[in-house]
Amino acid sequence: GQQVMQIPQYQHVQEGEDFTTYCNSSTTLSNIQWYKQRPGGHPVFLIQLVKSGEVKKQKRLTFQFGEAKKNSSLHITATQTTDVGTYFCAGRPPGSGGATNKLIFGTGTLLAVQP
Amino acid sequence: DADVTQTPRNRITKTGKRIMLECSQTKGHDRMYWYRQDPGLGLRLIYYSFDVKDINKGEISDGYSVSRQAQAKFSLSLESAIPNQTALYFCATSDPRGSYEQYFGPGTRLTVT
Repeated sequence: GQQVMQIPQYQHVQEGEDFTTYCNSSTTLSNIQWYKQRPGGHPVFLIQLVKSGEVKKQKRLTFQFGEAKKNSSLHITATQTTDVGTYFCAGRPPGSGGATNKLIFGTGTLLAVQP
Repeated sequence: DADVTQTPRNRITKTGKRIMLECSQTKGHDRMYWYRQDPGLGLRLIYYSFDVKDINKGEISDGYSVSRQAQAKFSLSLESAIPNQTALYFCATSDPRGSYEQYFGPGTRLTVT
């Protein structure tokens, strides 16, 4: 079946360092979403990317969707302790569209930030 | 008040027991989902429902069943629990008229001994 892998599985950084997580799908995606899960919490929606090559920014977070719509990345500039958590990408397979809204979640990247 | 609630929040049960996890939402969304989360595996879809009369299997439905009692309620049952069903279970909702983002409940931590 379709798989969405994320690397790295775990990243430990010093506060102020940058962080990037990469998401790779075995097949083309119609769009991709990113979620953040704080320790002990539940996933919370961050953003959705739809267009090939799309780049969106939210303050220190930069999200990219690959040209082939098979990969995506999340980059955090100058991490803070509030960035701690697991970041998940979630892709929607083509053809599912609005009729299904099924998402294939990536395996997640756990970010630890040392003050 | 939380828009998506789950009960119980924690549950320990024994192998072979039947258990039901409940999810309620006040968001007015038609679409509801059940996921399980395991370390290193991310979130995997168990079942989903687009309205009261619509139930669909996800990628890991074996050993589980669901019931959509009303637009606001979606229950997940384990008919005969086994230890490898020990996991964190999340309910989620979405609104097809919006951006398709999913809203998650707080989760139920289930341990099967």
